[in-house]
Amino acid sequence: AQSVTQLGSHVSVSEGALVLLRCNYSSSVPPYLFWYVQYPNQGLQLLLKYTTGATLVKGINGFEAEFKKSETSFHLTKPSAHMSDAAEYFCAVSGGATNKLIFGTGTLLAVQP
Amino acid sequence: KAGVTQTPRYLIKTRGQQVTLSCSPISGHRSVSWYQQTPGQGLQFLFEYFSETQRNKGNFPGRFSGRQFSNSRSEMNVSTLELGDSALYLCASSPGTDNYEQYFGPGTRLTVT
Repeated sequence: AQSVTQLGSHVSVSEGALVLLRCNYSSSVPPYLFWYVQYPNQGLQLLLKYTTGATLVKGINGFEAEFKKSETSFHLTKPSAHMSDAAEYFCAVSGGATNKLIFGTGTLLAVQP
Repeated sequence: KAGVTQTPRYLIKTRGQQVTLSCSPISGHRSVSWYQQTPGQGLQFLFEYFSETQRNKGNFPGRFSGRQFSNSRSEMNVSTLELGDSALYLCASSPGTDNYEQYFGPGTRLTVT
């Protein structure tokens, strides 16, 4: 079985501040982990994906995430927030012979000027 | 390449009616998945198709069905609509079958009255 927990349904940061969005996963098979972003009235856009190998994954728009197996975590970070980063962010896990994604409940990121 | 397209974008139906939603994947992608997004339940997996075959199905009642055509386009059907079926229905396409990244369309917003 697989599951994802995103701590903090709402996160607010100031423009230029560090962004840290937390994700913990549970998986009975080797996990594949994803971060997606959703802007209002739009679909989901893939930010980055972890498969195997390098534990620090770089994505689009300056985001990166680090896979920590010992902590079962895959937190998303960005060194300096922009106003355009305000959106909802979803962590997801898959594993096994499927593309099926199990999503977390999402974190709404607000960026204050 | 053009992205995933979904039609229609918005739909209003009456309880008891049925509805068909359409999805055209990215050119060359043969895997298509469907998800339901609601404020209460979040993002939930409906089905996964590859080469016209359903590979995986989520925990939804039999009123929810889908299919994929030889050109990889997919449709999902919901019969006997209930108020709780009001949601954003997202289609995603993928270049592979196991744990590949998925690319989402803009969604179809279904409102059941």
